[in-house]
Amino acid sequence: GAGVSQSPSNKVTEKGKDVELRCDPISGHTALYWYRQSLGQGLEFLIYFQGNSAPDKSGLPSDRFSAERTGGSVSTLTIQRTQQEDSAVYLCASSLERGTDTQYFGPGTRLTVL
Amino acid sequence: LAKTTQPISMDSYEGQEVNITCSHNNIATNDYITWYQQFPSQGPRFIIQGYKTKVTNEVASLFIPADRKSSTLSLPRVSLSDTAVYYCLVGDRQTGRRALTFGSGTRLQVQP
Repeated sequence: GAGVSQSPSNKVTEKGKDVELRCDPISGHTALYWYRQSLGQGLEFLIYFQGNSAPDKSGLPSDRFSAERTGGSVSTLTIQRTQQEDSAVYLCASSLERGTDTQYFGPGTRLTVL
Repeated sequence: LAKTTQPISMDSYEGQEVNITCSHNNIATNDYITWYQQFPSQGPRFIIQGYKTKVTNEVASLFIPADRKSSTLSLPRVSLSDTAVYYCLVGDRQTGRRALTFGSGTRLQVQP
């Protein structure tokens, strides 16, 4: 079946602009995660959605970052007033149920802020 | 949060067995141990998960001693295609939250 998809695959923007990154999870997966990975680094947790529960936003680095998940499926990560330090690969993952169930990752969106 | 510690990097040769050990001294009773593999320019991919003793699948084996304060991922007869970063995660299946810290992982380089 179809895996997790993300769009765009690459995004180049200018400092100060807003960007939206999209994630389509695997159908039926109730949990959705966003991570950020800077070059050569590990994954940094950003936000976690589980069903209809309030999302766990504890990993968002600043109030310029926000995410929503509509209808329990597609999610959008929005970064406002982008800064150069926001440049990274943004990875989305989904899983069937609970946090430690297997996470299936998308290919990521490479964001470059000039 | 249960912190995990892994070697930053390891080198091996094709055909050898590779063992990557992860320390998780503060592991809690409900915590499971999960390993992921990440190739360049790709998202991580699940390899194996276990709670205690030994788990084996078609890709790897996971050894967990009785005190569960560490775990060892074993890759039999590695090939060049096993060159990747390997992440150890510890988390609670009930709450889920604690499995969200990937850390820096172990960069495995397999040489011919």
